[in-house]
Parts: sequence; C-alpha cells; structure tokens
Amino acid sequence: EPEVTQTPSHQVTQMGQEVILRCVPISNHLYFYWYRQILGQKVEFLVSFYNNEISEKSEIFDDQFSVERPDGSNFTLKIRSTKLEDSAMYFCASSTPLHNEQFFGPGTRLTVL
Amino acid sequence: RKEVEQDPGPFNVPEGATVAFNCTYSNSASQSFFWYRQDCRKEPKLLMSVYSSGNEDGRFTAQLNRASQYISLLIRDSKLSDSATYLCVVNGGYNNAGNMLTFGGGTRLMVKP
Repeated sequence: EPEVTQTPSHQVTQMGQEVILRCVPISNHLYFYWYRQILGQKVEFLVSFYNNEISEKSEIFDDQFSVERPDGSNFTLKIRSTKLEDSAMYFCASSTPLHNEQFFGPGTRLTVL
Repeated sequence: RKEVEQDPGPFNVPEGATVAFNCTYSNSASQSFFWYRQDCRKEPKLLMSVYSSGNEDGRFTAQLNRASQYISLLIRDSKLSDSATYLCVVNGGYNNAGNMLTFGGGTRLMVKP
C-alpha cells in the first residue's frame, strides 16, 4: 500500500539554526500539507500546497517557514531560524483531488535546544 | 475561532464492550468529516470518513448530524488493539483549492482484558 514517507525521523538543532524537513507524498496525490503537533497538544495545520503554490496557510506559518517541491517527488518544509517553541512533531500529508482524505507520514520529531 | 471539541477521556472499557465517542464542531461551512486514530507518538491514521447518511465499517459506525454540528463514532466488540486516541477531524471550510483539517484534541480509549 502506498504511503507518505518523511526524513529524518528525529532532528536535533540549536536555536537559530535552519532546518529542512523532507517528505515524499503518495505518488498520484496532488495536494500536500504540513501539520505539527506539540507534545500533549492537538494536531495543528500549517500549510497546504497545490499546483506548485501555497493554497492555504495558518497563522503559525509565518515568514520563518517556507515550503518547496524541488522535484517531482519531494516536498520540503524549511524553518529558517528555529526557536525553542518550534519543538514539535511535524507531519506531512497528501491527498488526491477527488476527496479530502489526507494520509499522514510518520512524522519528524524536531527538538530545538 | 473554528474548533472541534471532544471529551478527552480516558474511556476505560473491558474487551467486548461497546463504546461511543462524540464531538462537536463550530464551523458550519465544513464539508468533510473524519475520524482518525492516533497511537502514542505516531501519526494520525484515517479510520473512516463520515457521511451525512451515516456509515459503517466492520465494528465501527460513524454518524453526522449537520444541524447540530455533531459527529459520533461507535465501536462495537472492542479489542485490546482498539486502545488509542480517536481524533475527530473536520475540514476548515475554506476555498476549494485548499482543504486544511481542523483536529479535535482526541478521546483516549483504553480497552482492558
């Protein structure tokens, strides 16, 4: 069964450093998403991406965040200057154009020290 | 603020019991409704979509009441493996090009032998 994959599974970084989280969505999906979940809290939407541009973003997704689809398979989330409060699990998801069932990757646990 | 509210539980039930979870959502424009399951420190996994007519998948039955903005999930003959957090999820109701999901905080189920 096709699945969303994410790398790395765990990223530790120093405050102020840039990080790039990588995702490979399911191959025939055209909508891509990033969500995050701070430990013990709800899953929160960050951004959606379709047709090579951002289609929606939340108030969390400020100028420190950016997304890119650099090639036909990868979808990345970049945080330019990490803060302590960026520590969370970051989930990538994808869906088809026909319905909004979103399938999630296993997540990247980001720890900012 | 658009929210999804759930009883956090935990619901402690014996194997074989029937258990029901409910949630309410505040965004009357939402069009898509889902139950996801999340195991500890793992990604949300789609359990089922929820349709206005109600739908059943094996031991799981989901109901949607649009007038009351209320969604339910019934689990019959619960198994030890059903122990998890159940997330009520609705789409944000924004423009059709984006389909952000809004998650409830989850209801924790613990099935005991």
